Amino acid sequence: QVQLVQSGAEVKKPGSSVKVSCKASGGTFSRRAISWVRQAPGQGLQWMGRIIPVPGIPNYAQSFQGRLTITADKSTSTVYMELSSLRSEDTAVYYCARVHGLTGSTDGKYFDYWGQGTLVTVSS
Amino acid sequence: QSALTQPASVSGSPGQSITISCTGTSSDVGAYNYVSWYQQHPGTAPKLMIYDVRNRPSGVSIRFSGSKSGNTASLTISGLQAEDEADYYCNSYTSSSAWVFGGGTKLTVL
Repeated sequence: QVQLVQSGAEVKKPGSSVKVSCKASGGTFSRRAISWVRQAPGQGLQWMGRIIPVPGIPNYAQSFQGRLTITADKSTSTVYMELSSLRSEDTAVYYCARVHGLTGSTDGKYFDYWGQGTLVTVSS
Repeated sequence: QSALTQPASVSGSPGQSITISCTGTSSDVGAYNYVSWYQQHPGTAPKLMIYDVRNRPSGVSIRFSGSKSGNTASLTISGLQAEDEADYYCNSYTSSSAWVFGGGTKLTVL
């Protein structure tokens, strides 16, 4: 049974950074990408980026370029999402989600398992 | 990458059928058969309902079906039930090796 377990809620000041973790269990961690998706209060889902855990290659949505860093620790099957220069508009629930397809395959471009979500509140 | 276009809301009575549209471009919905649909109840994580345009994961009711024509994908729910009331999001893989979501549609079961 695949599970993605995220770290707890965070409260941050504007201009600071936040780092959220997503620990995977029950699956083939290294061969499936993990994406990050956020949802502002009352708003829709927004894809932020993804990483292929091995060899640790990230890919970011253009709107987050320069502020977002996604990393992976193969030894603990954990993916991290770090967002810097936080502003109030970054207040949201952040989800990690597993991409179904194995790395290098041409199918499986959807999110089959999701973390429980982490609320990040940016407030002075 | 602009969000895919979905109606903000749809509604239907129990037992009826509804369809939610999802319009993109030739760089996303129209480029591949990589459209998926997610159901989200308040306070919970999204749940995969349809993948690769028309395939249902194990455990998802056969009342849920998907289709695509050109740059527009659709989700149809037949035999509406109270438990179907939720937000629905379409998603597509893109030619930039990224993903894009629709703005979401709130389904109300009258």
